Amino acid sequence: QLQESGPGLVKPSETLSLTCAVYGGSTSSISYSWAWIRQPPGKGLECIGTISYRGSTYYNPSLKSRVTISVDTSQNQFSLKLSSVTAADTAVYFCARLFLAAVDMSWFDSWGQGTLVTVSS
Amino acid sequence: SYVLTQPPSVSVAPGKTARITCGGNNIGSKSVHWYQQKPGQAPVLVIYYNEDRPSGIPERFSGSNSGNTATLTISRVEGGDEADYYCQVWESSSDPVVFGGGTKLTVL
Repeated sequence: QLQESGPGLVKPSETLSLTCAVYGGSTSSISYSWAWIRQPPGKGLECIGTISYRGSTYYNPSLKSRVTISVDTSQNQFSLKLSSVTAADTAVYFCARLFLAAVDMSWFDSWGQGTLVTVSS
Repeated sequence: SYVLTQPPSVSVAPGKTARITCGGNNIGSKSVHWYQQKPGQAPVLVIYYNEDRPSGIPERFSGSNSGNTATLTISRVEGGDEADYYCQVWESSSDPVVFGGGTKLTVL
């Protein structure tokens, strides 16, 4: 239901750009927000940020200065831009749907298959 | 920011019960969710809201949450359960999405 796309190789200092197409659901739904999560090789999961259908965003404080997440409800997709990348940004990047069950009660109920992005010259 | 602590690894023999813990300060007051990730695959939600199972997840998977520890229990473990498991909570703060570090379940 979620499909990531974008370059698999990005040069250091450049901007990583990924798009997530949503199938079988709507990015305009009030029941969901949309998220980018990454996983460096051999490591755990890190949430980069989320965006609501209205465009309200949350960004991981450690990445906030370099991250932009946007949503295009007309195309039913959302996007990630991460600027000034370094080798430390090499990871599998997942897009995911965040179900907003209630205040303080949200979980990721659908994930894309993930795409490996390598930062290297 | 809120921290979730998981054991790096848990081992269990086939047919036995595996218990994977997720520790956090007063985690019992929060809603805990669990994900299974097999090698090369995306995570899959196996437990939400502490103890509820999404459709398609076997009844062998169960969850509990009290005090400072949440637990994912897998009964009658099978070889196909071998995977990494992550707990997650939503924290009311500037950094709301919190994952545990993950636990590798090995089926002996």
